[in-house]
Amino acid sequence: EIVMTQSPATLSVSPGERATLSCRASQSISNNLAWYQQKPGQAPRLLIYAASTRATGIPARFSGSGSGTDFTLTISSLQSEDFAVYYCQQYINWPPLTFGGGTKVEIK
Amino acid sequence: QVQLVQSGAEVKKPGASVKVSCKASGYTFTNYAMHWVRQAPGQRLEWMGWINPGNYNTKYSQKFQGRVTITRDTSASTAYLELSGLRSEDTAVYYCARDPGTLLRGVIIGPDAFDIWGQGTMVTVSS
Repeated sequence: EIVMTQSPATLSVSPGERATLSCRASQSISNNLAWYQQKPGQAPRLLIYAASTRATGIPARFSGSGSGTDFTLTISSLQSEDFAVYYCQQYINWPPLTFGGGTKVEIK
Repeated sequence: QVQLVQSGAEVKKPGASVKVSCKASGYTFTNYAMHWVRQAPGQRLEWMGWINPGNYNTKYSQKFQGRVTITRDTSASTAYLELSGLRSEDTAVYYCARDPGTLLRGVIIGPDAFDIWGQGTMVTVSS
C-alpha cells in the first residue's frame, strides 16, 4: 500500500498571500496524483489531476507540480473561499487507492 | 447537470448492515466507474472500493473485504454500498464518487481522479 504524507498539517496564510502545500508518496507514482479541496460539511472537490492539470472550472491561481514521489499544490493568491482542507490522492497503485492526511489552510 | 445524489442518513446498531444508494444523472452511467470513500469524524478520506457499472467489475480495499459489497442497477443509474457487521468505528460520512477511468481502446482498465462526488451520507453506529 502506498502511503501518502502531506505537510504541513496546518498552514496559516493571510488573504492575498501564496500557499504551498506538499505531498509525498512512499514510492513512485509517476504523475498519477490528484488534489481535492474540502470545506466543512461538504464533499471533496477535484482541483488537480495528473499532478498538474486543473479540473474543469478551477481558477488559474491553483497549480500543481511534481512527479515520482514529491508533489506540490500552490495557491498563488489566497482568496477567502480557499480556506479549506486539501487532500492529495494517488490512483496508480491499487487496491487500495490512498489519500494523504490533509493540509488545513487557515486564515492567519 | 451531472450529479450524484445519495440516500439519507442512517442510524444502525452494532452488528447490523447498512445499504447506501447513489443515483447518477446527467451522464451515461455505464461509461464511468464509481467509487465509495468514507470519512470518519476528523479523519482522512478512506477508499473502500469501486465498481465498473459497464461490466460489473468490482475491487475492494482489503480492510473491508468480506464486509463490503458494491452493486449497481443500470436501469436506475444507481450504485449501492452495503456494509455489514457494523461497529462503532464505522461511524462516518460515506461518499460515492465518479471516475472517468483510465481507458484502453475505450475500455476502463483502471482508476483516475474522482471528478464528481455525491453529497455524502452520514452513517451512525450506536447501541
